[in-house]
Amino acid sequence: AQKVTQAQTEISVVEKEDVTLDCVYETRDTTYYLFWYKQPPSGELVFLIRRNSFDEQNEISGRYSWNFQKSTSSFNFTITASQVVDSAVYFCALSEGWQTGANNLFFGTGTRLTVIP
Amino acid sequence: EPEVTQTPSHQVTQMGQEVILRCVPISNHLYFYWYRQILGQKVEFLVSFYNNEISEKSEIFDDQFSVERPDGSNFTLKIRSTKLEDSAMYFCASKWTAGNEKLFFGSGTQLSVL
Repeated sequence: AQKVTQAQTEISVVEKEDVTLDCVYETRDTTYYLFWYKQPPSGELVFLIRRNSFDEQNEISGRYSWNFQKSTSSFNFTITASQVVDSAVYFCALSEGWQTGANNLFFGTGTRLTVIP
Repeated sequence: EPEVTQTPSHQVTQMGQEVILRCVPISNHLYFYWYRQILGQKVEFLVSFYNNEISEKSEIFDDQFSVERPDGSNFTLKIRSTKLEDSAMYFCASKWTAGNEKLFFGSGTQLSVL
């Protein structure tokens, strides 16, 4: 069975600090995708990134970067030079299997990030 | 960017009443989903829908729940007889193709059962 663990329930940082949000996953599938979604105080879920199990290259997008390590089943998310607007709940999620069907998303419990001005 | 639209944003109902939550997925999308998030908890899968039938459903999605795509644009979630524990944020989501594409989520409907 699949499982996504976000051990950090809440993190507070001071503006401009770097912060890393951890995500550890479990799956029996060799083909799977990992996602990060952001949920700001307004409540919607905003897609940030998707990464497939065959691509372990790290990715950087502006102040955001992701570190995918299959050896440790982790897909960590780092925000560099955090800003107040980064304050949100961040969810890591997993989708399994080949590209054949609905491939539902399974979410972790989320990490609430508070950036203090 | 196209959006998934959900109405209403808030719904208050009495226990035992029926509620219908409405969603307009993105127009060229083919796969539709309902998820829910109890306050402070993780987002949980309820049901997926494709080609006018349920693809998969979770244990949460019991006989009290049903989904329907009554026309070419709307996708609804009905709870027949609401319980207190149905209070949650309900998210509709859609995607355009099979597989592991990203889901586009609506802003959610906050359901409060009194």
